[in-house]
Amino acid sequence: DAGVIQSPRHEVTEMGQEVTLRCKPISGHDYLFWYRQTMMRGLELLIYFNNNVPIDDSGMPEDRFSAKMPNASFSTLKIQPSEPRDSAVYFCASSGGQGLRNTIYFGEGSWLTVV
Amino acid sequence: GQQVMQIPQYQHVQEGEDFTTYCNSSTTLSNIQWYKQRPGGHPVFLIQLVKSGEVKKQKRLTFQFGEAKKNSSLHITATQTTDVGTYFCAEGGLIIQGAQKLVFGQGTRLTINP
Repeated sequence: DAGVIQSPRHEVTEMGQEVTLRCKPISGHDYLFWYRQTMMRGLELLIYFNNNVPIDDSGMPEDRFSAKMPNASFSTLKIQPSEPRDSAVYFCASSGGQGLRNTIYFGEGSWLTVV
Repeated sequence: GQQVMQIPQYQHVQEGEDFTTYCNSSTTLSNIQWYKQRPGGHPVFLIQLVKSGEVKKQKRLTFQFGEAKKNSSLHITATQTTDVGTYFCAEGGLIIQGAQKLVFGQGTRLTINP
């Protein structure tokens, strides 16, 4: 079975540019999460969706960040404009389905560097 | 919201030595999950503990949930180089509609001298 698929795996961009990260959750999972990981702050939950509807976006740092889930198999996290402090690994994860419903399966991450 | 404190932050051991990481909370936890993240990798689910005093084993790994459900530990017996990585505990709130918002501890980074 395919896991959570994220793209791009690595991105280097200049400050002020728009960044779009993409995620395809595991088929059949009805929860999708976006996490950010940095050395200083660890793993932070940014936002999560249930059945494509945003449930909790209290972790989104500021208005420069936005996330959408137009259908059950696709989500985006957008940063506009990007800043150097946004440099981090962004993980998409999903849960649900037939197994332990609250186990979270992570994608391999998108490594973002803003210069 | 609830927070889990994980100690130690770093641990370096000789291969073959044991390793333990602890996860503590000031409030009662409904459940706790453990994840492992290899260097350059992504967190991978190891186990979930739900019951007070629960102990689960996976080969050389032993997971415990405290009687008061306020702490948990992961113990690795006779570490191997494949155990290198960061171990996270994650506390979950109430399970509503089948999923929960996990809050991760800061993790314990384990390095091993072969």
